[in-house]
Amino acid sequence: GENVEQHPSTLSVQEGDSAVIKCTYSDSASNYFPWYKQELGKRPQLIIDIRSNVGEKKDQRIAVTLNKTAKHFSLHITETQPEDSAVYFCAASGYSSASKIIFGSGTRLSIRP
Amino acid sequence: DVKVTQSSRYLVKRTGEKVFLECVQDMDHENMFWYRQDPGLGLRLIYFSYDVKMKEKGDIPEGYSVSREKKERFSLILESASTNQTSMYLCASSFQASGMSNTQYFGPGTRLTVL
Repeated sequence: GENVEQHPSTLSVQEGDSAVIKCTYSDSASNYFPWYKQELGKRPQLIIDIRSNVGEKKDQRIAVTLNKTAKHFSLHITETQPEDSAVYFCAASGYSSASKIIFGSGTRLSIRP
Repeated sequence: DVKVTQSSRYLVKRTGEKVFLECVQDMDHENMFWYRQDPGLGLRLIYFSYDVKMKEKGDIPEGYSVSREKKERFSLILESASTNQTSMYLCASSFQASGMSNTQYFGPGTRLTVL
């Protein structure tokens, strides 16, 4: 079945530096790739998403890139700030007609002051 | 703003009890989902529903059932709770567009402990 692998599981970066989280997916038919952020004790919330008809999307300090040939996509956070500390989940749509998505196992990002 | 609510934030039950977790969304979304979240395992889909009275198994449906009698409400049922069902349970909903996946909006979660 559909599988999404996410690396690294934990990441610690100095405030102001960049952070990169990488994911790979198995189903070549996947066409939707969202990223969710979950702060401690809170619900996951969408921060950015990309569809398979584009290779890159940017929103202020965050960007996502997609390589369909290699079946991987990445989240880039630049100029990291303390409020970026959270668990980040990537996901991929396994069956677009049913809107079901498969989540990666998550990356705990810590920003060092 | 989309609002997804869950009936309890914390729940403690005993092994063998029947447990109901309820989720309500107020945005007229067609799709509703139940996940469980465990450390290092991410969000695993238990069941989802794309219409009233419709349901489909996710990746880990064993030991669970669901009910969707009304569009806004999706219930997760543990027929006979076991200790390995101790977890955080998250409900989500999304708008259904033909052939496309869309943003899922999550509830606050229910932390269930089975003793």
